[in-house]
Amino acid sequence: AQSVTQPDIHITVSEGASLELRCNYSYGATPYLFWYVQSPGQGLQLLLKYFSGDTLVQGIKGFEAEFKRSQSSFNLRKPSVHWSDAAEYFCAVSANTGTASKLTFGTGTRLQVTL
Amino acid sequence: DAGVIQSPRHEVTEMGQEVTLRCKPISGHNSLFWYRQTMMRGLELLIYFNNNVPIDDSGMPEDRFSAKMPNASFSTLKIQPSEPRDSAVYFCASDSGSTGELFFGEGSRLTVL
Repeated sequence: AQSVTQPDIHITVSEGASLELRCNYSYGATPYLFWYVQSPGQGLQLLLKYFSGDTLVQGIKGFEAEFKRSQSSFNLRKPSVHWSDAAEYFCAVSANTGTASKLTFGTGTRLQVTL
Repeated sequence: DAGVIQSPRHEVTEMGQEVTLRCKPISGHNSLFWYRQTMMRGLELLIYFNNNVPIDDSGMPEDRFSAKMPNASFSTLKIQPSEPRDSAVYFCASDSGSTGELFFGEGSRLTVL
């Protein structure tokens, strides 16, 4: 069964600083990997996804993530954080069942941005 | 375009009462998922449907929980009888195919006293 580990529960960065959120996955085959963001009181929104090809993927809001098979990682990065990026971030892996995409989520990393 | 619509947004009920949560997926999406989010357990997949048929309900915690999808535009998650440990935010999400991108509703926050 697939699993996702997000080792950082809570991260605080200053506005304008760079950001990296860690994600490690466990999956027997080639994974489908995702990052979602959740603002308070809201549902989750997709930031970016990796299926195949270029291991550096670009997403919305200036985020990017790099798939590293050798490290089983899919870390999320942003070069300069904005106060509006404060939210909870979830990494997820998909078991493509052929009929529907069944995502397994990590426990999330809460990002706090100081001004 | 309208997104995934869930109702009610907030529900407060007493232990033992029946709770029904509702979801309208995005039109044209053929997969629907129910997730539960709590501080202790994070996001848990309860059940998902493909073309209105339940595919995997292994995440449904116990027989008190049931879900239906009578047509492509409506699903319900029912808890009967409810217990305080069912307090959580319940999310519905839909997916247009095997892209892996789930579109989430804003959730239904359930509090069982």
